[in-house]
Amino acid sequence: QKEVEQDPGPLSVPEGAIVSLNCTYSNSAFQYFMWYRQYSRKGPELLMYTYSSGNKEDGRFTAQVDKSSKYISLFIRDSQPSDSATYLCAISVNTGGFKTIFGAGTRLFVKA
Amino acid sequence: DTGVSQDPRHKITKRGQNVTFRCDPISEHNRLYWYRQTLGQGPEFLTYFQNEAQLEKSRLLSDRFSAERPKGSFSTLEIQRTEQGDSAMYLCASSLAEDGTDTQYFGPGTRLTVL
Repeated sequence: QKEVEQDPGPLSVPEGAIVSLNCTYSNSAFQYFMWYRQYSRKGPELLMYTYSSGNKEDGRFTAQVDKSSKYISLFIRDSQPSDSATYLCAISVNTGGFKTIFGAGTRLFVKA
Repeated sequence: DTGVSQDPRHKITKRGQNVTFRCDPISEHNRLYWYRQTLGQGPEFLTYFQNEAQLEKSRLLSDRFSAERPKGSFSTLEIQRTEQGDSAMYLCASSLAEDGTDTQYFGPGTRLTVL
């Protein structure tokens, strides 16, 4: 079993839709939860960062963490064609040095 | 631009050749990471430095791979005797350890193609 599981998609939605992206993880020691956006042939760009259960909102983006279920989500409201990209979840634990594991990424297409 | 930069952006080489990539992190960041990413996968950890010290290496990093960060600033990743399986995007990221979170910021990557 992979430490972080993420559905690779692709996920196709119409412009304006609410998008839900999800990851599950297996190790309850993980402490920090991140979402990155990666456009084709570019490096990942940090979108959201959180370390506690609950919701964190930033503009059209909301990150949700449920540590009891080992489940994290990213919601995108009023999705735009420019949101079309691969979304990577990343999870870290501080073991003296940080260990960060990335999901495989979900490809999202927002149709105009 | 004060982000993470990588050079070259693309490299095509023949099997058996050596290649070297460079990463310049965000100037105040003391941690530097190398990752490898293949199509349809997330970045896989290779190694990381805190200042000039290489603190951890993945088992993915075979003897043909070596990384340095001689003055705690830029870093190089060398691959010797390249193989076709080395074809991938090599990503560099940096972070500021003292902020307690290890939020990593990525460069644009170097895409390696081994023929």
